[in-house]
Amino acid sequence: DTAVSQTPKYLVTQMGNDKSIKCEQNLGHDTMYWYKQDSKKFLKIMFSYNNKELIINETVPNRFSPKSPDKAHLNLHINSLELGDSAVYFCASSQGRGGEQYFGPGTRLTVT
Amino acid sequence: GESVGLHLPTLSVQEGDNSIINCAYSNSASDYFIWYKQESGKGPQFIIDIRSNMDKRQGQRVTVLLNKTVKHLSLQIAATQPGDSAVYFCAERGVPADKLIFGTGTRLQVFP
Repeated sequence: DTAVSQTPKYLVTQMGNDKSIKCEQNLGHDTMYWYKQDSKKFLKIMFSYNNKELIINETVPNRFSPKSPDKAHLNLHINSLELGDSAVYFCASSQGRGGEQYFGPGTRLTVT
Repeated sequence: GESVGLHLPTLSVQEGDNSIINCAYSNSASDYFIWYKQESGKGPQFIIDIRSNMDKRQGQRVTVLLNKTVKHLSLQIAATQPGDSAVYFCAERGVPADKLIFGTGTRLQVFP
């Protein structure tokens, strides 16, 4: 009965590769988010989608492209990975914009 | 610019004592604040929230205090238990409303 799930949990890849992280929520929420948490635990929003529409797009390199095929899924594709992309990426969802956000378990991305 | 920060990066308390985690915010127009708990290897979990028209809000063993005059937020945990060991974040609702701005986090360590 996982509420917000992410795959994979760990991802190790080399610089220059392209990778995707998937997120699914079974809470029936209409808003989903991607956050990045760096090595110092600082958590920063990257994107948010409401009813499949992009709402928030923080100053994220265009190598990062979110895609929301439906309200229950929000994927994150990253092109030409760089060392600085190494972080833990969290997906979250909420009912309505401004609603309580429920976070997934995170995906630890390591770029070598 | 907007920022939310914490005074103490690490707090060590003895089991059974009360814990106080502090947070300073800079946007005086913020109307909503949230405390999250993040256990090792997991995503942030909602603990308690408070709106700017309140000074205090209590939950089960937790109390959040808001001092708008000095733009300060605190989380009090009563009778701290080993299971309370985690990193605690305060977050401020920005603009748009679904944008959460997180502080840098405080690690709470509970020892017997």
